Amino acid sequence: AQKVTQAQTEISVVEKEDVTLDCVYETRDTTYYLFWYKQPPSGELVFLIRRNSFDEQNEISGRYSWNFQKSTSSFNFTITASQVVDSAVYFCALSEVLNTDKLIFGTGTRLQVFP
Amino acid sequence: GAVVSQHPSRVICKSGTSVKIECRSLDFQATTMFWYRQFPKKSLMLMATSNEGSKATYEQGVEKDKFLINHASLTLSTLTVTSAHPEDSSFYICSARGQLEGEQFFGPGTRLTVL
Repeated sequence: AQKVTQAQTEISVVEKEDVTLDCVYETRDTTYYLFWYKQPPSGELVFLIRRNSFDEQNEISGRYSWNFQKSTSSFNFTITASQVVDSAVYFCALSEVLNTDKLIFGTGTRLQVFP
Repeated sequence: GAVVSQHPSRVICKSGTSVKIECRSLDFQATTMFWYRQFPKKSLMLMATSNEGSKATYEQGVEKDKFLINHASLTLSTLTVTSAHPEDSSFYICSARGQLEGEQFFGPGTRLTVL
């Protein structure tokens, strides 16, 4: 069965701190995609990254970076030098390519960045 | 990225009435659309997957007669909540995919409140 676990329900940091959001997944497939989405208070989901299971290279995009480790089934997300605008709920998600690409979401981590 | 719209963004209705929510892909043809439901401070749960011109596939526990989904064209899918009750109050989000294994693009969501 597929499952995505985000153990951190809420994280609070002060601006300029670095913060890592954890994501652990379960799947029996060897081919799958992992995602991170941001949901600000407005509710609209903002796509951040998609990573396929064959690409374990870490990725950096500005202040965002992602660490994918198949050995531990983890896909963690780090924000460096956090800003107040980073305050949102962040969802990690999994899709199994051969199963119509439906997304299985984690429970989300609410990040609050205080000035 | 591709744009997906939803209408209305908010709706308040009386118990027992039916409410229709539209999901449109504005600049691409969506062969598949997904409908999610999100309770306050909770994760997104997939309700159903619809392919243009065919019947929707509902997830376990989702009542087909309660949540009617129509995907009549490559740019429009509708979700009708029939005989709405207060427990149907939720945030409904659609997503659309243009091609197999392609990325899903999310709409801004519709907040339904049933009085």
